[in-house]
Amino acid sequence: AQSVAQPEDQVNVAEGNPLTVKCTYSVSGNPYLFWYVQYPNRGLQFLLKYITGDNLVKGSYGFEAEFNKSQTSFHLKKPSALVSDSALYFCAVSLGAGSYQLTFGKGTKLSVIP
Amino acid sequence: DAGVTQSPTHLIKTRGQQVTLRCSPKSGHDTVSWYQQALGQGPQFIFQYYEEEERQRGNFPDRFSGHQFPNYSSELNVNALLLGDSALYLCASSLERFNSPLHFGNGTRLTVT
Repeated sequence: AQSVAQPEDQVNVAEGNPLTVKCTYSVSGNPYLFWYVQYPNRGLQFLLKYITGDNLVKGSYGFEAEFNKSQTSFHLKKPSALVSDSALYFCAVSLGAGSYQLTFGKGTKLSVIP
Repeated sequence: DAGVTQSPTHLIKTRGQQVTLRCSPKSGHDTVSWYQQALGQGPQFIFQYYEEEERQRGNFPDRFSGHQFPNYSSELNVNALLLGDSALYLCASSLERFNSPLHFGNGTRLTVT
């Protein structure tokens, strides 16, 4: 079985400050990890993914995420937050080859304060 | 380039009724997945269709069924609706690869009364 935990329901950060949204995962094998963002009344948009290789992954809109195998974490980061980054962020995991199912966390609401 | 389109956007049904939701994938995509997102929760995988067949299924009862057409569009059918089926139903399309990112539609909001 695979699972994802996002320990914070909400993260508040001041505009211009760095932001981190946390994610930990549990899988029996090598994970494929993803971050998606959801704006109100919209579907999810893909931000970035980790499949293999460099532990630091760069994605859309200046976001990046760091894969840490020993801590089973895949935290989302951005050096300088924008008000427009305010949204709901979801971490997801897949077992990769042989599995087409993405398992999502419950989501973290990010609020960037002007 | 049209993205993933879903219809209808909102739907109200009564317990015991049946519902059909529709999805057109992003141009060039051949794989369609369906997810259920309850209020305040992350999306949960229902099933995925590829080459007009259900390729993988999540932990949902047989009341949930689907179909994929030769043009890659898809339908989600739910029979014998329960109050607990009220949710946002998301369709996502992708290329046929394990690590291919999903492109989501804006969803269909189903309310069961």
